Amino acid sequence: SAVISQKPSRDICQRGTSLTIQCQVDSQVTMMFWYRQQPGQSLTLIATANQGSEATYESGFVIDKFPISRPNLTFSTLTVSNMSPEDSSIYLCSAEQGSYGYTFGSGTRLTVV
Amino acid sequence: AQSVTQPDIHITVSEGASLELRCNYSYGATPYLFWYVQSPGQGLQLLLKYFSGDTLVQGIKGFEAEFKRSQSSFNLRKPSVHWSDAAEYFCAVVLREDSSYKLIFGSGTRLLVRP
Repeated sequence: SAVISQKPSRDICQRGTSLTIQCQVDSQVTMMFWYRQQPGQSLTLIATANQGSEATYESGFVIDKFPISRPNLTFSTLTVSNMSPEDSSIYLCSAEQGSYGYTFGSGTRLTVV
Repeated sequence: AQSVTQPDIHITVSEGASLELRCNYSYGATPYLFWYVQSPGQGLQLLLKYFSGDTLVQGIKGFEAEFKRSQSSFNLRKPSVHWSDAAEYFCAVVLREDSSYKLIFGSGTRLLVRP
């Protein structure tokens, strides 16, 4: 299965600023996904990112707050914009790989102060 | 609506005892089902998956799961738990909408292992 490199692994940010998280996959994948895991909670899907099209956002998530780029079949970014302490979470990217299932990056632990 | 439910928030077992973690799904067609484990401060690791075929699925670390369509369940089992199995376990189902295949997670079960 593919390996996903996600960075940064953690960051502490000031409220009102933005952070861009990057995910690099070591093989070409059609579908990538971004998840949020709030403290002590399960994973919630933020959006689906397919190369060559606009990201599709889940209910409760909007493009202005979480803009996503997917410039090619191996790379995607998620930006958390105008951050507040409520955005403190782990953010994970994932890639769909057919019979292999879904592979995840190691996550970005974001703390907003 | 399609969903996946893990009814147990916490489970505590003694080391060496058997384990069963429950997962129920709500889905019209044959689901694609997964179990993942997340150790403290770690990423997600795939334990096993079910797409079709044999309903008893073997995974890594001695885990297995059985797909039971009649009960809409995909419970995870291990015959003898090790202290290193203490972690958060997530059941997940693929939600197929149009051309999109989204992985949706249950709320998770935290496994505690008594020495």
